[in-house]
Amino acid sequence: KAGVTQTPRYLIKTRGQQVTLSCSPISGHRSVSWYQQTPGQGLQFLFEYFSETQRNKGNFPGRFSGRQFSNSRSEMNVSTLELGDSALYLCASSLLLTGGSGQFFGPGTRLTVL
Amino acid sequence: AQRVTQPEKLLSVFKGAPVELKCNYSYSGSPELFWYVQYSRQRLQLLLRHISRESIKGFTADLNKGETSFHLKKPFAQEEDSAMYYCAARTTQGGSEKLVFGKGTKLTVNP
Repeated sequence: KAGVTQTPRYLIKTRGQQVTLSCSPISGHRSVSWYQQTPGQGLQFLFEYFSETQRNKGNFPGRFSGRQFSNSRSEMNVSTLELGDSALYLCASSLLLTGGSGQFFGPGTRLTVL
Repeated sequence: AQRVTQPEKLLSVFKGAPVELKCNYSYSGSPELFWYVQYSRQRLQLLLRHISRESIKGFTADLNKGETSFHLKKPFAQEEDSAMYYCAARTTQGGSEKLVFGKGTKLTVNP
């Protein structure tokens, strides 16, 4: 099976702009979770989608949003970018909610906000 | 606050020596616990789950509810074990379930 893919791999944006990241899960996986990874805070959970519905949410501001399509592909959107949003954004897919069977991670999208 | 703590940011051992990567959690009840590993230039991947009570690549991890720990152990470390290791707990917080990760321990196995 093909692994989790994320596009684009690298992005450079300026403050105030918005950005959309994409994630394609492993075939058959209906859960997609998003994480932000930074050197200071480590891996932090953003949200999880399952069958096109947001099921779980972390402690991030409303500027961070997402959605999931009927084919389980997911997008994450960050509006009004801030310098502190510079991070590696990882998505992970799993068979069960909340990675109960273990999550499979994508390579990440490196977002740099200037 | 509910959290997963990995007290060592860096751990260095020699090949053939035993290795133990520490993980402590502060959740009540019985959280589901995992170890994830990231080798150089590779993506994060699941190493093992406590619920499976399995041994992967010679690594084992035992859940100690009394000490709220889930340490990862291997009796004889190999150079290819050098990687970043993350402990994670599946937990419920504020009505949402999520995986909470520790900040990771970088293991270096020297020849």
